[in-house]
Amino acid sequence: QKEVEQDPGPLSVPEGAIVSLNCTYSNSAFQYFMWYRQYSRKGPELLMYTYSSGNKEDGRFTAQVDKSSKYISLFIRDSQPSDSATYLCAMSALDSSYKLIFGSGTRLLVRP
Amino acid sequence: EAGVVQSPRYKIIEKKQPVAFWCNPISGHNTLYWYLQNLGQGPELLIRYENEEAVDDSQLPKDRFSAERLKGVDSTLKIQPAELGDSAVYLCASSPSTTEEAFFGQGTRLTVV
Repeated sequence: QKEVEQDPGPLSVPEGAIVSLNCTYSNSAFQYFMWYRQYSRKGPELLMYTYSSGNKEDGRFTAQVDKSSKYISLFIRDSQPSDSATYLCAMSALDSSYKLIFGSGTRLLVRP
Repeated sequence: EAGVVQSPRYKIIEKKQPVAFWCNPISGHNTLYWYLQNLGQGPELLIRYENEEAVDDSQLPKDRFSAERLKGVDSTLKIQPAELGDSAVYLCASSPSTTEEAFFGQGTRLTVV
């Protein structure tokens, strides 16, 4: 079993929809949680960064962390065709490794 | 502010040939990472540097892969000899410190034929 699980999709939604992207994890030591967006043939671009539990909002994006359930989410409001990309969750532990562990990514398609 | 710069963007080589990738991190970032990304997968860490020191190279296949970060700034990743299974995207990332967010370059797409 992978440390970080993410549904590969693809997830297809109409423009303007609210999108929910999720990851589950098994390592309770994870404390740092990130969401990256990756367009085709580009490097991952950091969208959201949170430490420990709680919510964080940035424009149309909201990141949620539920450590009790080992579950993190990224919500995109008023989705746009330009949001079509692969979304990767990543997390690391508060120990000597600090190694970022990535999910395999969810491909999102926002239809005009 | 310039982002992480990688070169080349694309490389096609024959198996058993050597290849090298170069990375220039964001100015002032002490931590530098090399990641490997296979198609349809998330990036996987190969090596992490804190300044000049490789502090985590446990995932680096040392029989054929090597890396260096001289003077704690630029870094190179080398494969010698390349195998067909090495075809992937090699990503470089940097962060101000280990506990802060990592910023990625565009990656080098390697094809071994």
